[in-house]
Amino acid sequence: DVKVTQSSRYLVKRTGEKVFLECVQDMDHENMFWYRQDPGLGLRLIYFSYDVKMKEKGDIPEGYSVSREKKERFSLILESASTNQTSMYLCASSLGGVAKNIQYFGAGTRLSVL
Amino acid sequence: LAKTTQPISMDSYEGQEVNITCSHNNIATNDYITWYQQFPSQGPRFIIQGYKTKVTNEVASLFIPADRKSSTLSLPRVSLSDTAVYYCLVGAVNSNYQLIWGAGTKLIIKP
Repeated sequence: DVKVTQSSRYLVKRTGEKVFLECVQDMDHENMFWYRQDPGLGLRLIYFSYDVKMKEKGDIPEGYSVSREKKERFSLILESASTNQTSMYLCASSLGGVAKNIQYFGAGTRLSVL
Repeated sequence: LAKTTQPISMDSYEGQEVNITCSHNNIATNDYITWYQQFPSQGPRFIIQGYKTKVTNEVASLFIPADRKSSTLSLPRVSLSDTAVYYCLVGAVNSNYQLIWGAGTKLIIKP
């Protein structure tokens, strides 16, 4: 089975802190994704990576950056956390081609910014 | 810009067939339709994907009419454990990253 592991289930940070969310997948997938999920808003794509060192902005990239130095690892960075970034963050990975939208998700990181 | 619309919630009973429809009027030629299930405190889990007509796997069927402006996820003989939120996703599988998620349908199965 594909495994997508997010480094933390829960995080509490203070406003202005730099926050790193880590995601690792073990199936050699080309694509990796970061989403945030808020009640009533569904899943919103923050960033997408289709290869090492390659990234594309999603629908809500403001306030976030990403890093993909190795194929299996995709990091989401909040440069200066703000209270409106309190949310559930989900990482996903997928193969390329027609399987691109068959995404495997991690369990999520619930981030609270105080 | 493409948009997907799903019912906010649905109720059904154990043993019934449940159909959840997603509307995607502006679907593009390269877009596929994918459905996910999500339980509380978990990430979404892939159920089924299709492009046109009908697709069936061991857990669900997906019906897509010829105009592809909607799709229907069909869950046969549901049980209490099928209570979850169901999402449709419309997106291209070529180099375009564009992904359009529905807001989710909360399905409650009653005994």
